[in-house]
Amino acid sequence: QSALTQPPSVSGSPGQSVTISCTGTSSDVGSYNRVSWYQQPPGTAPKLMIYEVSNRPSGVPDRFSGSKSGNTASLTISGLQAEDEADYYCNSYTSSNTWVFGGGTKLTVL
Amino acid sequence: EVQLVESGGGLVQPGGSLRLSCAASGFTFSSYSMNWVRQAPGKGLEWVSYISNSISIIYYADSVKGRFTISRDNAKNSLYLQMNSLRDEDTAVYYCARYFGSGTYAFDIWGQGTMVTVSS
Repeated sequence: QSALTQPPSVSGSPGQSVTISCTGTSSDVGSYNRVSWYQQPPGTAPKLMIYEVSNRPSGVPDRFSGSKSGNTASLTISGLQAEDEADYYCNSYTSSNTWVFGGGTKLTVL
Repeated sequence: EVQLVESGGGLVQPGGSLRLSCAASGFTFSSYSMNWVRQAPGKGLEWVSYISNSISIIYYADSVKGRFTISRDNAKNSLYLQMNSLRDEDTAVYYCARYFGSGTYAFDIWGQGTMVTVSS
């Protein structure tokens, strides 16, 4: 199972919006609404930000939103804040009863 | 407080074995499926294994199938990962992660991780 494809890095200024893409195949992202997103600041454990493509767990700000079209899922962060600087990973359940992560995207807040 | 605490990591030679543990607290462990996820130094996340709350369903990543065994003891609120025939490429921080819930296919609670180094 190959990793999902994410851009290595994205950046934006405070208050702006950024979108991180996550491209998979018809065996994972394209087949199910079972895409989740995780935030990982340096030296810490990952934190769940989005599940089932677009749902936010309790406590996650509504500045974080998710969507999906075909084999590509996206995470959008609006109203960027300095505290959003972190690595972001997408994840999808697959038709092989496994989970696959993206390679990760480093978000820099300028 | 909901918490997962991993232990058992360390330095092991190629071909060796190691058993990781994950102690759960603050929630009804027996009601939740669990996972192991790893992260090699400076690299991304890699899902390793899943075990259902009733132990009736177990899945492994191809990279560890036949070498790693996931298990749990609901009476002890503990998750385990037995790692055999270890390779250099198994060097990573190993996280235990709680399965968010039926139908979500996500991991909502993570431990702080335990480092496994495979080297001669």
